[in-house]
Amino acid sequence: GESVGLHLPTLSVQEGDNSIINCAYSNSASDYFIWYKQESGKGPQFIIDIRSNMDKRQGQRVTVLLNKTVKHLSLQIAATQPGDSAVYFCAENIGGANSKLTFGKGITLSVRP
Amino acid sequence: KAGVTQTPRYLIKTRGQQVTLSCSPISGHRSVSWYQQTPGQGLQFLFEYFSETQRNKGNFPGRFSGRQFSNSRSEMNVSTLELGDSALYLCASTRQRGAYEQYFGPGTRLTVT
Repeated sequence: GESVGLHLPTLSVQEGDNSIINCAYSNSASDYFIWYKQESGKGPQFIIDIRSNMDKRQGQRVTVLLNKTVKHLSLQIAATQPGDSAVYFCAENIGGANSKLTFGKGITLSVRP
Repeated sequence: KAGVTQTPRYLIKTRGQQVTLSCSPISGHRSVSWYQQTPGQGLQFLFEYFSETQRNKGNFPGRFSGRQFSNSRSEMNVSTLELGDSALYLCASTRQRGAYEQYFGPGTRLTVT
């Protein structure tokens, strides 16, 4: 889900459920993707990354899926906890000797106790 | 290992003034990128520095500039401040240029009145 302006889309989930956060990226030449979590008053925190030669990568309680055909990225969070409540951003990089990240607008994850 | 540090954390300036923000990357990281975050535009790339040279620049006016020192610490400067420059300014560091994990600092919250 993408959004414009001040109002980010919100995903509300029950504590303990699995969360799926989706992102449509813009550049078919993008080679590297990162998910970040940003809590209020803090900078973005690295969660997990994936390169374009992979379809799936797993971390601790998180999984990132990449579908290059439709330029879609998703972040799955298992057993969502209240501490997972934050804004989540996907970011893309075109690779090579280029560190520039292009960010999506962000999605707010709200965990209901 | 200490994370990315940014100083100051908060700053209030008046239109027309200039401001300098500082970023110390993670030890061993040589590439520093700067981003501007606003509610309306999200996270936007400003520039990247590596080996004391600007390597990449985003679509911002010339009032935005930066530099990097031999110890990889970086500063960014905004001259002739405008109200629209009010934002959270974030720096991110990575070990080397390209598609690698980037870690963000907590940001400097700049308010222009």
